[in-house]
Order: sequence, then structure tokens, then C-alpha cells
Amino acid sequence: AQKITQTQPGMFVQEKEAVTLDCTYDTSDPSYGLFWYKQPSSGEMIFLIYQGSYDQQNATEGRYSLNFQKARKSANLVISASQLGDSAMYFCAMREPPNSNSGYALNFGKGTSLLVTP
Amino acid sequence: NAGVTQTPKFQVLKTGQSMTLQCAQDMNHEYMSWYRQDPGMGLRLIHYSVGAGITDQGEVPNGYNVSRSTTEDFPLRLLSAAPSQTSVYFCASSYRRPGITYNSPLHFGNGTRLTVT
Repeated sequence: AQKITQTQPGMFVQEKEAVTLDCTYDTSDPSYGLFWYKQPSSGEMIFLIYQGSYDQQNATEGRYSLNFQKARKSANLVISASQLGDSAMYFCAMREPPNSNSGYALNFGKGTSLLVTP
Repeated sequence: NAGVTQTPKFQVLKTGQSMTLQCAQDMNHEYMSWYRQDPGMGLRLIHYSVGAGITDQGEVPNGYNVSRSTTEDFPLRLLSAAPSQTSVYFCASSYRRPGITYNSPLHFGNGTRLTVT
């Protein structure tokens, strides 16, 4: 079963506007971590932001914030004041407690392609 | 600080050939892993290692071997390449020490684009 679901294959946003990228996750464990990564057209994977399951406040990193709704099992990424350089693929990922099948792996969603237009 | 270094960046193989994708990290990370990325599939875990001498299979291990003789290096071997292994391969590492593991992000190499004809 898919553990991370990103329902928006592609999104458009105008420069300087805010945009929300959706992510829902599936786990029965109370301890987990949620990550967002950015993959520009050059291909590298860039870590953006982290939210722990026990964190009381939503994570923020500069223009990135995470709208964490634990009861709904959602961890949406909000990018404020979009810039042309934000055009990229964005991946949501989850780390659950290690077990023999995954070690310390991240489970990734299929990604959302964001295009920022002038 | 080099981080995670992957070589080569690009590779073309014929069906049945073997090759090794190299991965090295200089951050003293205990955990290392290999993912493959295919269009519309996200990243899928191939193999991982939680320390030197310890490796285990991920979600899609068939056709690949790994070894971890040192903390720094984690090569991925394709034993007999098949067109289905055409993909972009990422090596990634992170800490796994207690207390700083859970929120430790994966650090990725820049990827290897492999084409099998």
C-alpha cells in the first residue's frame, strides 16, 4: 500500500503568490518523521524541511512551512512568495521506526511538479 | 566538504553487461542507501546499509548487489543489466546514532543516469 500520497501531479503558481503542495501519509506508528525534498531540473535532491510526529508546532524554514494536521495525516508544504527558481519537482517522504525491511529509509511519494510563472 | 559523491554521472550498457555504480560519503554517516527513480514512480529503495559489514534489501532489490566494507563506500553492482534497469540511481546517507537519527535528513548524491539497450 502506498504510504505517501501526493495527489497533485502538476501545479501552476504565479510569481510572488503562495502555493500549497499536498501530502497525505499512512502509518499506524505514533513515531515518525516527515520530510520534503525539492528536485530541480538539474536532478539533485535538496532537503527542504522536516516535521516530527511529536512536534507541537508546524515546521518553518524561510519561505517554506509545513501545515501538519496529525489527525488527518496530512503534511502539506506551503511555499510563500513563489520565485521562478521554485519551479521543480517536490517530494514528500516519511521515515517510520526502523525495522528489518527498511532500516532508516525514507518512503517517498510520487512527487508534484510545480511551475512558477512570471 | 564533498558530501555524497556518485560516479559515473551517465552510463550506457548493453543488455547482459555488468557494472558497478560507485558511492562515497565523507560525513561519517552510518546509514547509506540506494534508490532508483523512474518517471511517475517516485524514489524506490533498492538496498541499504546501517553500518560497515551490514546490508539489507529494500523494495526493489532484484538484479542488484551491494557491499559495505567501509563506512565511506557503498557500491551498487548490476550483475546482468536489463532494459528494465534503465533509470536514475541515487545514493543517499544519513546519521543513525540514537538521539539524532530520527530527524536526520537523507543527503543525496547527484545521481547516475543509466540506460540499458
